[in-house]
Amino acid sequence: LAKTTQPISMDSYEGQEVNITCSHNNIATNDYITWYQQFPSQGPRFIIQGYKTKVTNEVASLFIPADRKSSTLSLPRVSLSDTAVYYCLVVFNDYKLSFGAGTTVTVRA
Amino acid sequence: DARVTQTPRHKVTEMGQEVTMRCQPILGHNTVFWYRQTMMQGLELLAYFRNRAPLDDSGMPKDRFSAEMPDATLATLKIQPSEPRDSAVYFCASGLVIGAGLQETQYFGPGTRLLVL
Repeated sequence: LAKTTQPISMDSYEGQEVNITCSHNNIATNDYITWYQQFPSQGPRFIIQGYKTKVTNEVASLFIPADRKSSTLSLPRVSLSDTAVYYCLVVFNDYKLSFGAGTTVTVRA
Repeated sequence: DARVTQTPRHKVTEMGQEVTMRCQPILGHNTVFWYRQTMMQGLELLAYFRNRAPLDDSGMPKDRFSAEMPDATLATLKIQPSEPRDSAVYFCASGLVIGAGLQETQYFGPGTRLLVL
């Protein structure tokens, strides 16, 4: 059964880098990997998307190895406002779209 | 600032009643998704439409749930009859597919928080 796997939670301190890895063994060949951020009582919000290698934008980087069976979201120098739940989203070979269970990131002062 | 809107934001109803949730996607987007979120199951995809045609509704209990897009500016999700286990936050999201890609950036609405007593 195709599924995504993420750590349940991660703790960090302000100014540190946070790396969250998502495993997705049966990802569809031609599809992208997307990460979303969710704050309490809000809908998820797009962070970053990539297909392979490395993608960087103003808020995060996404690292995808050649086999594409996993991806790592990197949040540089986190602040308290980065405390949220982070989800990876992929489409699998059976064309099923699947969110991971989410990783709760807690940033402490 | 274009946004996905959902109504109602909160709904409390009794078991057996019909519930209708509405979503207005971002103008110009051609894909609409319905999700359900609970503490136990996380974010579950219920159904999604592209160019108003249903593409996948395999995540939706067919006996009581139905999703439609009467026009490009409105998507509805109905539960009839509702049950306590349907209590959850229901999110609508819209996106724009360009080309052959299966996945687009999704823009989520604020959600409808449903409580079935």
